[in-house]
Order: sequence, then structure tokens, then C-alpha cells
Amino acid sequence: QEQLVESGGGLVKPGGSLRLSCAASGFNLRDHYMAWIRQAPGRGLECISYISGTGNTIHYSDSVKGRFTISRDTATNSLFLHMKSLRVEDTAIFYCARDWAGISHAFDIWGQGTVVTVSS
Amino acid sequence: DIVMTQSPLTLPVTPGEPASISCRSSQSLMHSSGYNFLDWYLQKPGQSPQLLIYLGSTRASGVPDRFSGSGSDTNFTLKISRVEAEDVGVYYCMQALQTALTFGGGTRVEIK
Repeated sequence: QEQLVESGGGLVKPGGSLRLSCAASGFNLRDHYMAWIRQAPGRGLECISYISGTGNTIHYSDSVKGRFTISRDTATNSLFLHMKSLRVEDTAIFYCARDWAGISHAFDIWGQGTVVTVSS
Repeated sequence: DIVMTQSPLTLPVTPGEPASISCRSSQSLMHSSGYNFLDWYLQKPGQSPQLLIYLGSTRASGVPDRFSGSGSDTNFTLKISRVEAEDVGVYYCMQALQTALTFGGGTRVEIK
């Protein structure tokens, strides 16, 4: 069964760091683009970063560029998001999502999400 | 970035009746392949989003055929032919043409 399970969320002070993990099962990360999509409390969806199956293509939204780093470990079939210089406005549910491997982007599998709270 | 605008903000629906959601993009989403790079997602209460439609009109695996996507360039519509109680939630469109993927603000569908 194809599945994504996120972990690593928690409470962190402004300026702090956190690393989110996403364990993939039932498929190989090398065959798909993967993304991190967040949802601030009561708000909509924001795609903040994605990485290609080869790892050669990486994109960051302007809101996280220079502060967040996406990476993956093909040996453990896991996706990561390293977050530093966290701000209050980074508070959100962070979802890991799989891209469908077609000609466009479409996220066909989502994790359950992990909550990040940035507060003093 | 491409701006995605959805309407209405909230849509009260009656079970068994049709429903329609509009999504407009600030730029054409027509790709050189001939497909519109536009997706629709549904986030049911307390759940993660799920993919309904991609490439403007292709239903994702397991999505009931009462859901359909249409439109082209900058104007798109998601239609539910006969709403069921399980269809409540927030619907989002997303453009997949530009590198910076962007979502609409969402349309909340609720039962009258």
C-alpha cells in the first residue's frame, strides 16, 4: 500500500530549527517528484518546496527560500525538510505529498501531516 | 506567480442537487502539450487533501464519476452532478504550469 507518514513536528521558538521527516512506503521516491505543502491555521494550501525523483530539480517558494532545505534519502526512502530561522508565520500543518509522475504536477498521495508551532 | 481565484467562498448545497465551483487563473494554464495544467483537490473535515482532477479534466483514480472538471486557459469549473453528504469540505484548485505551484483560496461546500 502506497503511504506517506510525516514526523518531526513540534513547538519551537522563533529563530529555532526543526527537521521534518516523511517515510514513504509502497513506492520508490526515485520515481516521483515529492513536495512539502503547508497549511497555516484556518488558511489554504501553500506548496513550499519540491524535489525531483533524481534530486536534480529543487524548488522553494519565496516565503521559505534560504531558510528551508528539502532533501531525501533513497536508502531509507525518506523525504526531509530542514527548517531554520523559523518565524511565527511558519506555524502550520506540514504535509508531505507525492507527485503523480506525469507531464504536470498533481499530488496523488498525501501524508496525515505534522504540526509545527513557532511561538515564544 | 500565477494567482488563482475561486468562487464562491462558500457553497450551500442540497443532497442530490448539482453543484459548481469556479476557478480563474491570472495567466493561461494551457501547456504546449495541449493540456491545461490545472488540478482540483478536496479536503474533507479533519483530513488531508485528496486529488480529484488533474490536467483540467482527468479524474484521479477512485474518484466518483459525479465529479467532472472542465474549462480552458484561465477559466475552469468543477462540477458535482449530484451532491452527496460525503462531498462536504473545502475544494481547492491548483495551477501546475509554473514552477511556483499555487492554490486557490478554497471553496467550502456545506450541506444546507
